[in-house]
Amino acid sequence: EIVLTQSPGTLSLSPGERATLSCRASQSVSRSYLAWYQQKSGQAPRLLIYGASTRATGIPDRFSGSGSGTDFTLTITRLEPEDFAVYYCQQYGTSRTFGQGTKVEIK
Amino acid sequence: QVQLVQSGAEVKKPGASVKVSCKASGYTFTSYYIHWVRQAPGQGLEWVGIINPSTGSTTYAQKFQGRVTMTRDTSTNTANLDLSSLRSEDTAVYYCAIGPTWRFEYWGQGTLVTVSS
Repeated sequence: EIVLTQSPGTLSLSPGERATLSCRASQSVSRSYLAWYQQKSGQAPRLLIYGASTRATGIPDRFSGSGSGTDFTLTITRLEPEDFAVYYCQQYGTSRTFGQGTKVEIK
Repeated sequence: QVQLVQSGAEVKKPGASVKVSCKASGYTFTSYYIHWVRQAPGQGLEWVGIINPSTGSTTYAQKFQGRVTMTRDTSTNTANLDLSSLRSEDTAVYYCAIGPTWRFEYWGQGTLVTVSS
């Protein structure tokens, strides 16, 4: 089973700042099968990015994804108040697994 | 618009079984696979399994094999998750989600299952 490790665990930033979230896989993941989700407190997750870099429907362009192989990145160029949440990466290899999450909190 | 409405919260004793349902609307029921994902309190996300609503075929995460059963009813556009031999570690919010085989595009609101003696 592929293990996804996200870093940092918590990111403390101010609105308007840039957020860079990392997701590292224990073995190579196809770009086609890497996704990112946002989860706000008390809510279900929401799909942000799939195929490593394709924004899901309705996702603003301040969210972008990149990477390949074992290293993937989610970037939020200018944090809006509604972006403070927990972010998960997810892969599909022989099964579907998630990273442990990165919390983006207000500094 | 796509809607996934799940059944209400459950409290079960250890060793019991629980059934969680997910009623879909706003799309063709057989167009998307249905996944189940759970989240223990304060923890991350864990994939439980997937059902093909067209054929009823299922794949379960290895961790749950032998304890989980997923079914669907195409007459009511409803998917069901049955989990047996419950233990305290099964306390979690259980989500249904739809999408291709490998990702989760739309999510239900979640159902809290509490296992406590």
